[in-house]
Amino acid sequence: GDSVTQMEGPVTLSEEAFLTINCTYTATGYPSLFWYVQYPGEGLQLLLKATKADDKGSNKGFEATYRKETTSFHLEKGSVQVSDSAVYFCALHTGSGAQKLVFGQGTRLTINP
Amino acid sequence: DTAVSQTPKYLVTQMGNDKSIKCEQNLGHDTMYWYKQDSKKFLKIMFSYNNKELIINETVPNRFSPKSPDKAHLNLHINSLELGDSAVYFCASSQLAGADTQYFGPGTRLTVL
Repeated sequence: GDSVTQMEGPVTLSEEAFLTINCTYTATGYPSLFWYVQYPGEGLQLLLKATKADDKGSNKGFEATYRKETTSFHLEKGSVQVSDSAVYFCALHTGSGAQKLVFGQGTRLTINP
Repeated sequence: DTAVSQTPKYLVTQMGNDKSIKCEQNLGHDTMYWYKQDSKKFLKIMFSYNNKELIINETVPNRFSPKSPDKAHLNLHINSLELGDSAVYFCASSQLAGADTQYFGPGTRLTVL
């Protein structure tokens, strides 16, 4: 079945460091890909998305490019802030059958000042 | 202007009890969802309703019964609670049942003693 694999966390960085969180997927057809973020004590919110190959999603300085050839959707940010500390979820939306979001296991990110 | 709200935020109860969690969205969306997030932050869909009709039921024990009285509400009733039901339950909604952004509620932390 469809699945999403994220890099193991937790990830701890210093402020202004470069961030990469890896995400790869397995899916039939052509899924849409998402990054959701969960701040402490809150629900998930959409960070960015891409709906077809080579699309780049971007928001709040974060970017991810839909790479069909490597089945990846890695999240990057050039300079992280303490306020970016959260849990990040990569997800895909299956385009066939019972349409639903399939989430990766989440990556906890902590940014130290 | 809460978009997706859940009540209660915290629920502590004994094994064997029956409890309900309520969800309301004021976004005018047609589709609503229930997700379960375990202690390791793994997030998995449980149910999805579109226009009050059940469209996804992810092999959840039949002790869990969703009810959608109208498009804006999706409640989750749980019978005979077990220790393993302890988790955070998130409600979400989207305009479409397809690859559309989902908006999450703040979550309900259920603890079964």
